[in-house]
Amino acid sequence: DAGVIQSPRHEVTEMGQEVTLRCKPISGHNSLFWYRQTMMRGLELLIYFNNNVPIDDSGMPEDRFSAKMPNASFSTLKIQPSEPRDSAVYFCASRRGDGAYEQYFGPGTRLTVT
Amino acid sequence: DQQVKQNSPSLSVQEGRISILNCDYTNSMFDYFLWYKKYPAEGPTFLISISSIKDKNEDGRFTVFLNKSAKHLSLHIVPSQPGDSAVYFCAASGRTGANNLFFGTGTRLTVIP
Repeated sequence: DAGVIQSPRHEVTEMGQEVTLRCKPISGHNSLFWYRQTMMRGLELLIYFNNNVPIDDSGMPEDRFSAKMPNASFSTLKIQPSEPRDSAVYFCASRRGDGAYEQYFGPGTRLTVT
Repeated sequence: DQQVKQNSPSLSVQEGRISILNCDYTNSMFDYFLWYKKYPAEGPTFLISISSIKDKNEDGRFTVFLNKSAKHLSLHIVPSQPGDSAVYFCAASGRTGANNLFFGTGTRLTVIP
């Protein structure tokens, strides 16, 4: 089975530009999570979806951040406009819907905003 | 407010010896705990977990111990191998209906050949 797929793996952009990160969860999983990892704050949950519906976006740092899940096999995290402090590794994770706790992570997208 | 804490940012162990990674939590509502391993440039991978109804779970060289009264868990790796060198994250979840995971900041384990 393919794992969680994220694209791009690396993104370098200039401040003020729009950035879109993409995620394909494991087939059959019905929960999807977006995390951000920084040296200062470790792994932070940004937002999660159950059955394509956003459940909790309290971790989204600002209105510049938005996430969508138009179907069960695709999600995007968008930053507009991007700022240097958004530089981090962004992970997507998915989870089965049968009460399981384990989340399965993608390889991450390393974002650098200059 | 960090609900899951890993107070040792790094640990070095000789190959063949035991590695002990520690984790503390503050929320008494947590009832499920997980350990993840992360190599550079990869996402965290699930390693082992334990429910709060148990105090020990073992999987090969990996054993997780839970002390609920102390709100403490530990991961033991015996014997340690160089391939175990990675960052280890502790995570916890409670019965919120969402089963969100709260992660510690990680401990970098280096196993010296």
